[in-house]
Amino acid sequence: GGIITQTPKFLIGQEGQKLTLKCQQNFNHDTMYWYRQDSGKGLRLIYYSITENDLQKGDLSEGYDASREKKSSFSLTVTSAQKNEMAVFLCASSIATDSNERLFFGHGTKLSVL
Amino acid sequence: TQTVSQSDAHVTVFEGDSVELRCNYSYGGSIYLSWYIQHHGRGLQFLLKYYSGNPVVQGVNGFEAEFSKSDSSFHLRKASVHWSDSAVYFCAASTNMGYKLTFGTGTSLLVDP
Repeated sequence: GGIITQTPKFLIGQEGQKLTLKCQQNFNHDTMYWYRQDSGKGLRLIYYSITENDLQKGDLSEGYDASREKKSSFSLTVTSAQKNEMAVFLCASSIATDSNERLFFGHGTKLSVL
Repeated sequence: TQTVSQSDAHVTVFEGDSVELRCNYSYGGSIYLSWYIQHHGRGLQFLLKYYSGNPVVQGVNGFEAEFSKSDSSFHLRKASVHWSDSAVYFCAASTNMGYKLTFGTGTSLLVDP
């Protein structure tokens, strides 16, 4: 089995700050994803990457950047944190040939902006 | 644009009861449907999926789901729930043309012991 590790688990930022979230997977999966989870709104796709150095925008990409410099890692940057923003960011991965039939998720990074 | 609707935000049952969590989707083409479970403070875990074939699919821990094209539904069921089944359940859909899963808003299941 494998694991997806997200760091940090909790992130507290200031309004306007640039914040970076990191994700590592040892499944050797090709495809990785960043989702944002807000209470009562389900999960919304921010960015995904189908291979190293590839980036694809999701439905919620505005205000975020992403980077896939290695197959095993996928980082997400909040370019300017919004005051009172609070959400959980979930990283996931999947085998490319399975498309997105089954995703494996990390435990999430909880963001709070003061 | 595909959508996934989970009409019940919260469901409460007693341990040993049966439960059905509802999921409806809107999309005209071939569709993958899946269910995920999220325990408090954790990431989502895959339960089961459907693409074609037998409309009733079995998942882990006694869960099953039934696909209905006529009703555009993929409801999740369990015959006898345990307190450890308390979690948030997400229905998700995708087409065979891309990598994007669309999630519903989730149903929080509380099992009273």
